[in-house]
Amino acid sequence: DAKTTQPPSMDCAEGRAANLPCNHSTISGNEYVYWYRQIHSQGPQYIIHGLKNNETNEMASLIITEDRKSSTLILPHATLRDTAVYYCINWDAGGTSYGKLTFGQGTILTVHP
Amino acid sequence: GAGVSQSPRYKVAKRGQDVALRCDPISGHVSLFWYQQALGQGPEFLTYFQNEAQLDKSGLPSDRFFAERPEGSVSTLKIQRTQQEDSAVYLCASSSSRGRVNTEAFFGQGTRLTVV
Repeated sequence: DAKTTQPPSMDCAEGRAANLPCNHSTISGNEYVYWYRQIHSQGPQYIIHGLKNNETNEMASLIITEDRKSSTLILPHATLRDTAVYYCINWDAGGTSYGKLTFGQGTILTVHP
Repeated sequence: GAGVSQSPRYKVAKRGQDVALRCDPISGHVSLFWYQQALGQGPEFLTYFQNEAQLDKSGLPSDRFFAERPEGSVSTLKIQRTQQEDSAVYLCASSSSRGRVNTEAFFGQGTRLTVV
């Protein structure tokens, strides 16, 4: 899987939008961009994924650049419960490495009052 | 059940003891993954099953680690002769995909293993 690069930590005020960047300059054509988050003492939770178009669901929005070399996860109105480690992952679910969701270090997002 | 269930939630083992960690995936999910997460690190892939077939075990750190899924549902991760470096959270995930379409993997709460 392609390697992704994320800032180690970010802060956000409650009620404001949190924009989490991710660089994946070596992403291959079949790989999707996935975002997971992990709240303390819990397993990773799926947030959103996309291939090349922007995506939105009830949790977040995903913006992928046209060249697909970077993406941004947007939490539109962050709450204290959004404090977690956020992982950006490139995954080809249909490829030979279909089992390997490869996690990096992620971004520790801290939402403060 | 509604989600992936792992048991026990916590396990303390004496060095040299054998342990078995259980994972109940979401009913009907074809794919099952095991991950190891050391303190302060991201999860590291251990092994992958598609139904009862173990298709990838490249992440298992040594031959002391063994995983099985005999009937294509419940899976067990066994660690023989535990060492202190085995202390970690062991995560199980399942997915409905056979790996052919974009999909999501659902994770359990994990089993925290502490070897003393």
